Amino acid sequence: DTEVTQTPKHLVMGMTNKKSLKCEQHMGHRAMYWYKQKAKKPPELMFVYSYEKLSINESVPSRFSPECPNSSLLNLHLHALQPEDSALYLCASSHQHRTGGLNTEAFFGQGTRLTVV
Amino acid sequence: DQQVKQNSPSLSVQEGRISILNCDYTNSMFDYFLWYKKYPAEGPTFLISISSIKDKNEDGRFTVFLNKSAKHLSLHIVPSQPGDSAVYFCAARDTGANSKLTFGKGITLSVRP
Repeated sequence: DTEVTQTPKHLVMGMTNKKSLKCEQHMGHRAMYWYKQKAKKPPELMFVYSYEKLSINESVPSRFSPECPNSSLLNLHLHALQPEDSALYLCASSHQHRTGGLNTEAFFGQGTRLTVV
Repeated sequence: DQQVKQNSPSLSVQEGRISILNCDYTNSMFDYFLWYKKYPAEGPTFLISISSIKDKNEDGRFTVFLNKSAKHLSLHIVPSQPGDSAVYFCAARDTGANSKLTFGKGITLSVRP
């Protein structure tokens, strides 16, 4: 199983709604990521979890709240979003990088296309 | 400050010919480089990677070349096929333990039948 599964594939939400994006992998990866991608732009890192602990928060507004309940799951809780938050949200996972050790690629899910109205 | 640069936004190539996609970087702490391919409305798919201790890595029709002194890498696709038409992202990882990838803006490759 080399898949990263994201649900839902599409989400439309109002600015007062609360919703969650979900991500799952069963490759034994201990690093998981949330990226945001706007049209015609590269993916931008939002959060990194390493061994279920938040290790990087790229100054993301608090209306985005990540959660890693276990080594296979990653959630992104959304609350009071703005229309400019509309984007493709990508989850990825990889083996934890150790200097001088394992070098592997990150696997991406297909993304959740989020529209905030 | 853009640490990974893909200066050409698009490339058009005839089917069967070689596609050469270029990428430059500025951060000398990058130790691992990856190419991702992305179709519309899908997540990026890993294509090929290269460690900074190598200068070439080949996988079927795809070869990545790394020139560390020039801080330049390139992806060669030969022969190019219409199904290769997609956006190609160059990404680089620093030597720290956080596994952070920095992406370039991407190049749109069109392979003409």
